[in-house]
Amino acid sequence: GNSVTQMEGPVTLSEEAFLTINCTYTATGYPSLFWYVQYPGEGLQLLLKATKADDKGSNKGFEATYRKETTSFHLEKGSVQVSDSAVYFCALSSYGGSQGNLIFGKGTKLSVKP
Amino acid sequence: SAVISQKPSRDICQRGTSLTIQCQVDSQVTMMFWYRQQPGQSLTLIATANQGSEATYESGFVIDKFPISRPNLTFSTLTVSNMSPEDSSIYLCSVELGTSRHYNEQFFGPGTRLTVL
Repeated sequence: GNSVTQMEGPVTLSEEAFLTINCTYTATGYPSLFWYVQYPGEGLQLLLKATKADDKGSNKGFEATYRKETTSFHLEKGSVQVSDSAVYFCALSSYGGSQGNLIFGKGTKLSVKP
Repeated sequence: SAVISQKPSRDICQRGTSLTIQCQVDSQVTMMFWYRQQPGQSLTLIATANQGSEATYESGFVIDKFPISRPNLTFSTLTVSNMSPEDSSIYLCSVELGTSRHYNEQFFGPGTRLTVL
């Protein structure tokens, strides 16, 4: 079945460091791919998305490219800030199951130190 | 986008009791969903809340345990019935706007953190 595998955390970085959070997926067909972020004490927010191969999603300095050949959607940011400390979830939309079913990775907790 | 609120934000309950969680959206939406996020785990879809008809449950979730109401296009409730400590989780509702601009995106509420003693 469809699944998402995400890099395990926690990840601790210093401010201005480069960030990569790996995400790979298994899916039939052509799913859409998402990164959601959950800041402390808040709900999930969509960070970025890509709906087809080679699409690049970007937002707030974060980027991820939909790589069908490697079934990956790695999240990157060139220079992290303390305010980026949060849990990041990779997800895909599954058309094989119920309409609108999002399948999530386990989440990666990022802590950025000043 | 959509603004989603949930009540209560958190609760501590005794085993064997039931809790009803409310989800309110600031606009009419067709698709509403309920997810569970167990401690240290990712989110799992419980069911799709259908307006005017019974909810559609995912494998492993049943209506007797998680009854859902969807009386209109802006509101839904999820009840966690006959609770046990294993039901301790964060419960989140989400909506899909169904517009081309937000195609396939889901917007999430802040979640309800439930602890069952």
